[in-house]
Amino acid sequence: GENVEQHPSTLSVQEGDSAVIKCTYSDSASNYFPWYKQELGKGPQLIIDIRSNVGEKKDQRIAVTLNKTAKHFSLHITETQPEDSAVYFCAASWEYGNKLVFGAGTILRVKS
Amino acid sequence: DAGVIQSPRHEVTEMGQEVTLRCKPISGHDYLFWYRQTMMRGLELLIYFNNNVPIDDSGMPEDRFSAKMPNASFSTLKIQPSEPRDSAVYFCASSLGFEQFFGPGTRLTVL
Repeated sequence: GENVEQHPSTLSVQEGDSAVIKCTYSDSASNYFPWYKQELGKGPQLIIDIRSNVGEKKDQRIAVTLNKTAKHFSLHITETQPEDSAVYFCAASWEYGNKLVFGAGTILRVKS
Repeated sequence: DAGVIQSPRHEVTEMGQEVTLRCKPISGHDYLFWYRQTMMRGLELLIYFNNNVPIDDSGMPEDRFSAKMPNASFSTLKIQPSEPRDSAVYFCASSLGFEQFFGPGTRLTVL
């Protein structure tokens, strides 16, 4: 089955700096790659996603890149702010409505 | 829309007791997922439904766990009997398409 590895497990950055989180997946059939943000005491919330026919997607300060050949995808957060501090999860899926396989998560701390 | 609703938000019980967790998905969504989150194992999919029918329960850890979806607006996850190692946060999520919307979770503590 699909396996998703996520790095780093923790990441500390200074406010205003960029943060990059990387994930690799094992199943070449996967074609949907979302990123979720989880704040303390809450459920994960989708922040951005990308499908296999696109190499990059951007939404304001957040961007995701996908390299299908290498089977890895990354989350980029620019101009980080204290409210970006949270746990971030990558995930992969191979068809509509099918289950997501999650990475282990990255604790992001933005220091002000 | 109120989003995915889960109850109770916190549950403390003693080993051997039956525990029932409840979920109300977003109206109109046709997929419902139950996840368990622990520090050791992260986010694990337990089971998911499509149009109230269980599709994949391969993540259910043991026969002590069971899930039902009697109609499109309600699902339950039951643990009987509960054990301390079942302590975790249990999330319900629903979707109509690729994006899954998560509820706030139920924090279960089994003493």
